Amino acid sequence: QVQLVQSGAEVKKPGASVKVSCKASEYTFTNYYMHWVRQAPGQGLEWMGLIDPSGTSTNYAQKFQDRVTVSRDASTTTVYMELISLRSEDTAVYYCARERPSTSYFDFWGQGTLVTVSS
Amino acid sequence: QSALTQPASVSGSPGQSITISCTGTSSDVGSYDLVSWYQQHPGKAPKHMIYGVSQRPSGISNRFSGSKSGNTASLTISGLQVEDEADYYCCSYGGSSNYVFGTGTKVTVL
Repeated sequence: QVQLVQSGAEVKKPGASVKVSCKASEYTFTNYYMHWVRQAPGQGLEWMGLIDPSGTSTNYAQKFQDRVTVSRDASTTTVYMELISLRSEDTAVYYCARERPSTSYFDFWGQGTLVTVSS
Repeated sequence: QSALTQPASVSGSPGQSITISCTGTSSDVGSYDLVSWYQQHPGKAPKHMIYGVSQRPSGISNRFSGSKSGNTASLTISGLQVEDEADYYCCSYGGSSNYVFGTGTKVTVL
């Protein structure tokens, strides 16, 4: 069964950065786009960005363009999302999600990682 | 890209049908048949329910159906059940490798 297992909760101070990991298993990692979506407390889902199967191409929502980096490591079948210059508004649960090929929808999700930004 | 617009809440009695709308623009919902819907129970990760406007992934009940007209997509839940009570989000491809989610709808089973 496909699994996406994310790293644990983080507490960061404003201005710091965070890197969340998402370990994929039980499928061919290099065949799938991967996405990151976040959800602030009590709020809706927000798409952040994606990385292509080879790891050579990324695209980010305009809102996060200058602060987020998504990367992947095929040797460990892990995807990463790094967010810099954290502010309190970045407090949220961050999800990785797999895109089913040629359908533009997310068929498997990680369990979520809570990132809390607080002084 | 701005979030797609959904009603904040929709309610219905068990057995009834409800429809959730998802309004975007000619740049996203109106341009691509790539609207998907997700169900999210409290404290859980989202779960896919519909993709490609109206396609149901295997394992998803046929009580869930999707459609689209112009810039508005819709999710219909027929034969409403207690376990359908959750938040629902639409998502559309917006071109140039961009995606946008809806504002979310809380479904309450009365």
